[in-house]
Amino acid sequence: EAQVTQNPRYLITVTGKKLTVTCSQNMNHEYMSWYRQDPGLGLRQIYYSMNVEVTDKGDVPEGYKVSRKEKRNFPLILESPSPNQTSLYFCASSPWWGTEAFFGQGTRLTVV
Amino acid sequence: SQQGEEDPQALSIQEGENATMNCSYKTSINNLQWYRQNSGRGLVHLILIRSNEREKHSGRLRVTLDTSKKSSSLLITASRAADTASYFCATDGEGGGADGLTFGKGTHLIIQP
Repeated sequence: EAQVTQNPRYLITVTGKKLTVTCSQNMNHEYMSWYRQDPGLGLRQIYYSMNVEVTDKGDVPEGYKVSRKEKRNFPLILESPSPNQTSLYFCASSPWWGTEAFFGQGTRLTVV
Repeated sequence: SQQGEEDPQALSIQEGENATMNCSYKTSINNLQWYRQNSGRGLVHLILIRSNEREKHSGRLRVTLDTSKKSSSLLITASRAADTASYFCATDGEGGGADGLTFGKGTHLIIQP
């Protein structure tokens, strides 16, 4: 089954404790991206990747890192999480930018 | 940057009625897409319309695009309780930038049984 898999689905952590949210897709898509969704703000892009070893900042990259060492995986790293990063995070992949995107089920992150 | 803006923010109708929601955007686009999100879950792609298309259908969905007005509408006919969800429009840029899709804030649709 074609899918984008994120883990974990829920995470509560403390300020400053490094964490990684994993994302994997099995559709051989070139393009992957991370979004955060906050009430009243909609979805905002954090980072995106056009291919292996090619990543770039989206609209709200501060406090986040990503890597794309393999085509299928695109982890989101929070080196020192802060409470303002409490949000619902989505990973998405698509054949190319601007085409139909497939979303993961989301990761609800709470930073206390 | 927020490109698409949906209108209305919320819409409540009776089952069986048609639901119409609108999206306006600011810059030129290659295509416009509509997505559905059930409460707190991942977004699901509904339909994509290219900038050179004016109307597109998929099942009970009808999408129109007016590039001169930079607007699109999504019509759901014969609504069902299962259509209760948030609906987002998403645009890409025509300028060749690779920053993917820009989403609006969504229309929350409630179908009353």
